[in-house]
Amino acid sequence: DPKIIQKPKYLVAVTGSEKILICEQYLGHNAMYWYRQSAKKPLEFMFSYSYQKLMDNQTASSRFQPQSSKKNHLDLQITALKPDDSATYFCASSQDWDWGGVTLYFGAGTRLSVL
Amino acid sequence: TQTVSQSDAHVTVFEGDSVELRCNYSYGGSIYLSWYIQHHGHGLQFLLKYYSGNPVVQGVNGFEAEFSKSDSSFHLRKASVHWSDSAVYFCAVSPGGSSGNKLIFGIGTLLSVKP
Repeated sequence: DPKIIQKPKYLVAVTGSEKILICEQYLGHNAMYWYRQSAKKPLEFMFSYSYQKLMDNQTASSRFQPQSSKKNHLDLQITALKPDDSATYFCASSQDWDWGGVTLYFGAGTRLSVL
Repeated sequence: TQTVSQSDAHVTVFEGDSVELRCNYSYGGSIYLSWYIQHHGHGLQFLLKYYSGNPVVQGVNGFEAEFSKSDSSFHLRKASVHWSDSAVYFCAVSPGGSSGNKLIFGIGTLLSVKP
């Protein structure tokens, strides 16, 4: 059974709309992350959270807002969607936020297409 | 700025062959190096990691990787591949310290194993 659940698996949105990507982890981990994989580009770090607190934000746009209602949840709200936001968004977790070399566990991703 | 280069976009081998997937990085300080595997339609899974000590590290399913400081490389190897090893392989680096949780990934190498 998958231990990191991302919903939905596929998502189609129109330009200008807003969507929420869901992530729940059942590994008992204390740190969670969002990564984005656009076509022909490497996975790109977006956010890291530890005990529901934002630790690092590498996303320039405020249109991307993580939301953590519980320690094992880290949703991603994206507003004013643009075609360039089309990508696969991966949620990940690690046992703890650490000072280096964390081992990440990934969900299967949400593939977002913005028309 | 750390960068990760995976020079081979696609590698094709036959079952039972050995394989080496190349990874080169650029970073001046201490770093953690890791490899992840992504089967089609799934999230990334951790294979192995290196920080210090023996430059050859063993991972799951018979994979190993060798760190070379002089070549700035961390190549992944397997002596005898199986068809189930067909996947995309990602090399990643992370610096120590406060940015240690931010993995920087290469573009990935697609390994195709023919029967």
